[in-house]
Amino acid sequence: GESVGLHLPTLSVQEGDNSIINCAYSNSASDYFIWYKQESGKGPQFIIDIRSNMDKRQGQRVTVLLNKTVKHLSLQIAATQPGDSAVYFCAENYSGNEKLTFGTGTRLTIIP
Amino acid sequence: GAGVSQSPSNKVTEKGKDVELRCDPISGHTALYWYRQRLGQGLEFLIYFQGNSAPDKSGLPSDRFSAERTGESVSTLTIQRTQQEDSAVYLCASSSSTGWNQPQHFGDGTRLSIL
Repeated sequence: GESVGLHLPTLSVQEGDNSIINCAYSNSASDYFIWYKQESGKGPQFIIDIRSNMDKRQGQRVTVLLNKTVKHLSLQIAATQPGDSAVYFCAENYSGNEKLTFGTGTRLTIIP
Repeated sequence: GAGVSQSPSNKVTEKGKDVELRCDPISGHTALYWYRQRLGQGLEFLIYFQGNSAPDKSGLPSDRFSAERTGESVSTLTIQRTQQEDSAVYLCASSSSTGWNQPQHFGDGTRLSIL
């Protein structure tokens, strides 16, 4: 069945370093992907999205890479800051489907 | 504050009671979604609305769960005869339209605890 999963449940990064969070998906029909950030006690916050006709998209300090060949998605955060500490979820869906399928999340901890 | 608003933020109730959770979406957003998040887990889709209609109720866990939306705005998720396994954070999201490539924007959820 459909699944979106993450390679690492936890990740610790030194402040100022770059971090990479990975996500694998199994549905080859998936053509839209989103990264969310969720802080404790808050709802998921939209970070960046990418459509399947792209393989890279950049935002402010964040870059999402999509490799459709191996069905892999990654989120790169540059020059990490303490405020980047949170759980990060990837989510996906496909044309004609309304619901997002979420992975279980990766907890990113920035070490001061 | 133009974001998605949910109330109450916390709800503690006894097993067997009914609860109502409210969601106020972003103004003008036609699509509204409910998700459930158990502790330490990802989000589980429950139901979505396009306008006041719910084309997809496939995620509702049992017939104790129901939801409605009125005025293409506020939505209420009702859980009848609550059970301890219903304890979770219930999250609402809205988007400017249905369509597979629209980001969903979330509220901060209602943390439901069943004693």
